[in-house]
Amino acid sequence: GENVEQHPSTLSVQEGDSAVIKCTYSDSASNYFPWYKQELGKRPQLIIDIRSNVGEKKDQRIAVTLNKTAKHFSLHITETQPEDSAVYFCAASTSAGGTSYGKLTFGQGTILTVHP
Amino acid sequence: NAGVTQTPKFQVLKTGQSMTLQCAQDMNHNSMYWYRQDPGMGLRLIYYSASEGTTDKGEVPNGYNVSRLNKREFSLRLESAAPSQTSVYFCATRDSHSYEQYFGPGTRLTVT
Repeated sequence: GENVEQHPSTLSVQEGDSAVIKCTYSDSASNYFPWYKQELGKRPQLIIDIRSNVGEKKDQRIAVTLNKTAKHFSLHITETQPEDSAVYFCAASTSAGGTSYGKLTFGQGTILTVHP
Repeated sequence: NAGVTQTPKFQVLKTGQSMTLQCAQDMNHNSMYWYRQDPGMGLRLIYYSASEGTTDKGEVPNGYNVSRLNKREFSLRLESAAPSQTSVYFCATRDSHSYEQYFGPGTRLTVT
């Protein structure tokens, strides 16, 4: 089955700095890569996702890049703010079809702390 | 729209007791999932249901059973709770067009 590794496990930055979180995956059939943000005591919420037919996607201060050959993808947050402090999870999945039915395999999470 | 709802929010069980976690969605999604979240381990898939009437095992199914009662509801049952099942349980549904999964608020379960 799929295996997703996420690094670093903790990341501390100053407000205004950039933050980068990296994930690798093992199954070359994976073609959907979401990133979730989870605040303390809350549910995970999707912040950005990318499909394997594109290499990069941006949404304001966040961006995700995907390298299919190397089987890794990264989350980039620019101009970080204290409200970005949370746990971030990457995940990988094959899209609908076959027997996968969109099952997500998650990385272990990164605790991001943005200091004012 | 309530989205994805879960009951109860909190539960304490003694070892050997049984209970059912309930999940309901009003998003008209076909696929539903149960995850558990333990510190430092991300979310792990317990069971999923691709559509009404079908269920299948995920990564960590041992000690659990599920029922897809109808399109809206997907329940998770612990027949004989063990301390190793202390965790936060999340239900999720999937939009088959965007692939996004939407999570419920979670159930925090403690087994003593």
